[in-house]
Amino acid sequence: SAVISQKPSRDICQRGTSLTIQCQVDSQVTMMFWYRQQPGQSLTLIATANQGSEATYESGFVIDKFPISRPNLTFSTLTVSNMSPEDSSIYLCSVGDNAGTSGVGGELFFGEGSRLTVL
Amino acid sequence: AQKITQTQPGMFVQEKEAVTLDCTYDTSDPSYGLFWYKQPSSGEMIFLIYQGSYDQQNATEGRYSLNFQKARKSANLVISASQLGDSAMYFCAMREFTSGYSTLTFGKGTMLLVSP
Repeated sequence: SAVISQKPSRDICQRGTSLTIQCQVDSQVTMMFWYRQQPGQSLTLIATANQGSEATYESGFVIDKFPISRPNLTFSTLTVSNMSPEDSSIYLCSVGDNAGTSGVGGELFFGEGSRLTVL
Repeated sequence: AQKITQTQPGMFVQEKEAVTLDCTYDTSDPSYGLFWYKQPSSGEMIFLIYQGSYDQQNATEGRYSLNFQKARKSANLVISASQLGDSAMYFCAMREFTSGYSTLTFGKGTMLLVSP
């Protein structure tokens, strides 16, 4: 299984500022994803981080608000730009490969999450 | 239509008893996978169990088993001999493979509270 480290684990931010979350994996992985979990809600996919090309964003999420980088197969960053209180959430990095011990498609692993509070 | 439905917002169980968390899903893809994750108050997502659509037998992992009823499109999680540490949010999720680089779609979750 992959070991995923996210930084920061939590932060309190001021309205209008931006924060970059880092996701580091201990092995090369094909797919990296970023999820948002708003308070009391389920996880919603923000985007798929593609190595060497622009991220693929889900409906409702745009690059200007959530720029993503993926410079190599073990690292990605998500920036939450111009934050507002509505951005207060847990942001989770997830990784996976096409095949794994869990069978077709493989398991997806998650980082510990980054809990952001925007004042 | 929701792809993953978890109808139980919260469940209570006494320690050492078994509990079933419900999950129904909706897909037209013949190839898919069903996952259960546990999320304690710390926020991390812990993988529990996986069931592939072509698997003939129900998945089991220690105290966790998945009651997979394909015709009913249900994938209920059964936790046997509940422990206090099982108190957490539980999410059912699905991954559809024939649509390419497919990601997990999550249900809304069920909060499980285990009492002494």
